[in-house]
Amino acid sequence: SQKIEQNSEALNIQEGKTATLTCNYTNYSPAYLQWYRQDPGRGPVFLLLIRENEKEKRKERLKVTFDTTLKQSLFHITASQPADSATYLCALDIPHNQAGTALIFGKGTTLSVSS
Amino acid sequence: DAGVIQSPRHEVTEMGQEVTLRCKPISGHDYLFWYRQTMMRGLELLIYFNNNVPIDDSGMPEDRFSAKMPNASFSTLKIQPSEPRDSAVYFCASSLMKDTQYFGPGTRLTVL
Repeated sequence: SQKIEQNSEALNIQEGKTATLTCNYTNYSPAYLQWYRQDPGRGPVFLLLIRENEKEKRKERLKVTFDTTLKQSLFHITASQPADSATYLCALDIPHNQAGTALIFGKGTTLSVSS
Repeated sequence: DAGVIQSPRHEVTEMGQEVTLRCKPISGHDYLFWYRQTMMRGLELLIYFNNNVPIDDSGMPEDRFSAKMPNASFSTLKIQPSEPRDSAVYFCASSLMKDTQYFGPGTRLTVL
């Protein structure tokens, strides 16, 4: 069965440093991978989508890499700020029973940026 | 656009009662998803619709759960009878092409 693992439940870093979050998956090669941000008491918010033929994608201070050989995605936040503190979820479009594919989420990594 | 709208935001009920959660997707979106989130299991896909038709309901825990989408602007998730283990935050999301999903604020359900 498909498995999605995010490297740790919590990550604590100092303001100004680069935060790196990891998403590993097994048993499938997804067509794309997404990252979402979730703040307490709110729904997840889409950040970035990277396709299997893309190695890297950037958006402002965010950078995502996608290594289909290692079956891993790295999510970087450069020059981190306390406002970046949130839970970050990776999600993959993978086979889901006989109905085709569905977006399946990892459990998330909670990032805390201290000033 | 107002985004995905869910109601109620909070629901407290007693075991055995029927619970109905409501969702209005973003206008023009063809896909609608229902998720459940708990600390233990994370965000789980329950069911999703395409053009109002249920496509994959394999995530629905058991027959006590049912979902409908009578038209493009409204969907319900019903639990009957509810049990304490159903306590969770339930999210509705919609998307245009089944990739980037837009989530509602969620309904926090507590079953006593």
